[in-house]
Formats: sequence, C-alpha cells, structure tokens
Amino acid sequence: GIQVEQSPPDLILQEGANSTLRCNFSDSVNNLQWFHQNPWGQLINLFYIPSGTKQNGRLSATTVATERYSLLYISSSQTTDSGVYFCAVRSGAGSYQLTFGKGTKLSVIP
Amino acid sequence: GAVVSQHPSWVICKSGTSVKIECRSLDFQATTMFWYRQFPKQSLMLMATSNEGSKATYEQGVEKDKFLINHASLTLSTLTVTSAHPEDSSFYICSARAPHEQYFGPGTRLTVT
Repeated sequence: GIQVEQSPPDLILQEGANSTLRCNFSDSVNNLQWFHQNPWGQLINLFYIPSGTKQNGRLSATTVATERYSLLYISSSQTTDSGVYFCAVRSGAGSYQLTFGKGTKLSVIP
Repeated sequence: GAVVSQHPSWVICKSGTSVKIECRSLDFQATTMFWYRQFPKQSLMLMATSNEGSKATYEQGVEKDKFLINHASLTLSTLTVTSAHPEDSSFYICSARAPHEQYFGPGTRLTVT
C-alpha cells in the first residue's frame, strides 16, 4: 500500500515563530488532507489539498502531486497551535480509505 | 465544515462486557463511515470501513466477531466491542465520508478494567 512519511516527528517553537511541516507519499494520490489533532483527541480538518496551494489565515498548504509531497506552513505560531499534525492520503479509484502518516507533534511555548 | 458526533466520549467497562459506540453525521449523509483505533502517541489505524446497508469491510488482523459494525442508516454507524478485555482499551475514532473529504468524530476513550 501507499506509504506516508511526515517530518519532523517533533517540533518545538517559540510563540510567534514560523514552521514548515512536510508530508511525502509513495504513490499518486487523489485525496490529501491535513489534520490537527488537539490535546483532547479531536481531529480538525485543516486542508483538503490533492494538488495546488491553499491558505486559511495563518496556515497554508502546498501539494506538488508530481513530486509526491505536501507542505503545511504555520506562520506566527500560537500556543493553541500545539498538538499533532497529520497528513493523510487516498490513492486508487475505488478506495475511499485514508492512509495516515505518523504525524508531527508541535509544541508552541510562550 | 461537516460535523460528526460520537457517543459516548469516554467509557469504563469491566472485562467480559460489551460496549457500543455510536457515530453520527449531523448535517450530511454518509454512505461510508470508517472506524479507527489510536494508541497513545501513535497514528490512527483503520479498523474497518462501514457501508450503509451492507456488511463492513475489516482490515487485516481486525476480528470481525469482536468488533461488530452496523451502518443501518445514512447518518449512523455503530461499533460494538464484544467481550471486552483490557487490551481493547484504546481511543476509537470514527469518520464519515463527504464528497471529497473525511470528517472525524471527537473519539471515544475506552478503558476496560
């Protein structure tokens, strides 16, 4: 099956700093989503981005499908950004299953 | 975005008993729902795909007789952990498929004593 690798596994930021999280995948995809899992376990949809670039406030994401990677940018980080960020992909026409990466644990300190 | 609810949010049960977890899509219909399991500090692991009106498809290594899934309507899927044991203690998360994205419920923390 498709492999999803996220980096870095852990990241500690000072409040106000910027960061880039990376997601590499091993095959072509027809769905890519970024999620933020908050400390209570809820997964929050950040982006649906199988290709191209999107922005939502301080967050933006870019997926270069031909090179099989996606980037999540967090600018002016806040303590509420802390948590685990997951990249999940779907490949194959008939399958709706998402395959998750292992996540990046972000800690934003004041 | 779309909203998915899960109930209960946490449950403690005794070994040998069964526990039912409900997953509802509140503002959209979902022909397909998914059940995941997450151990501490790990990623989500897909357990099964639940299709409305048909049998669930289980991932390799997941016991279908232990984890009973029912998807009786377009807005409700249930996961029943039968004869629970301490090793079944985990965080169970459901998701519902919208046209493009999947949306996740808040999860159910199961502790089996």
